[in-house]
Amino acid sequence: AQSVTQLGSHVSVSEGALVLLRCNYSSSVPPYLFWYVQYPNQGLQLLLKYTSAATLVKGINGFEAEFKKSETSFHLTKPSAHMSDAAEYFCAVSEGNTGGFKTIFGAGTRLFVKA
Amino acid sequence: DSGVTQTPKHLITATGQRVTLRCSPRSGDLSVYWYQQSLDQGLQFLIQYYNGEERAKGNILERFSAQQFPDLHSELNLSSLELGDSALYFCASSASTTGNSPLHFGNGTRLTVT
Repeated sequence: AQSVTQLGSHVSVSEGALVLLRCNYSSSVPPYLFWYVQYPNQGLQLLLKYTSAATLVKGINGFEAEFKKSETSFHLTKPSAHMSDAAEYFCAVSEGNTGGFKTIFGAGTRLFVKA
Repeated sequence: DSGVTQTPKHLITATGQRVTLRCSPRSGDLSVYWYQQSLDQGLQFLIQYYNGEERAKGNILERFSAQQFPDLHSELNLSSLELGDSALYFCASSASTTGNSPLHFGNGTRLTVT
């Protein structure tokens, strides 16, 4: 079964600083990878997804992620943190076949942004 | 707004009871997924339906069941409730069953079992 591991359950950055949230996946085949964000009292929203068309994927709100097969990683970055980025971020991988897929989520990383 | 509607938003019930959670997917989406989110277990996949048929199953307890109706709305039934079933239950929908189809989540139903 495929899985994702998010390093660090909590990350704290200052406003304007680089955001780096780490995700490693385990998969024997090219994976379908995603990053989602969850704000308080809301469901998850898609930030970006890896489609194999490009290793650097750009998402919403200035976030991007780089797929590195050699490192089995899909880390999420943003050059300059904003207070509104404070939320929980989930890396996810999809597994299955043409009959059905299930998306498996990592444990999540809560991002704190200090003024 | 994701377009996925879940009702009720909050549910408080006693151990041993049975509850039904309802989900209306985004317009046009044929796949519905159910997830359970708790502090100790994180976000756990329960079950997926596509156009009325069960397509994938996760860590869903035998006390739990789900179905998707012809109008594509879905219900998750939880019975013989235990304290440990207290959690946030999310429904998500997607346009297809392909692995690269992103999920659109509702705002969840918070279940409290007392």
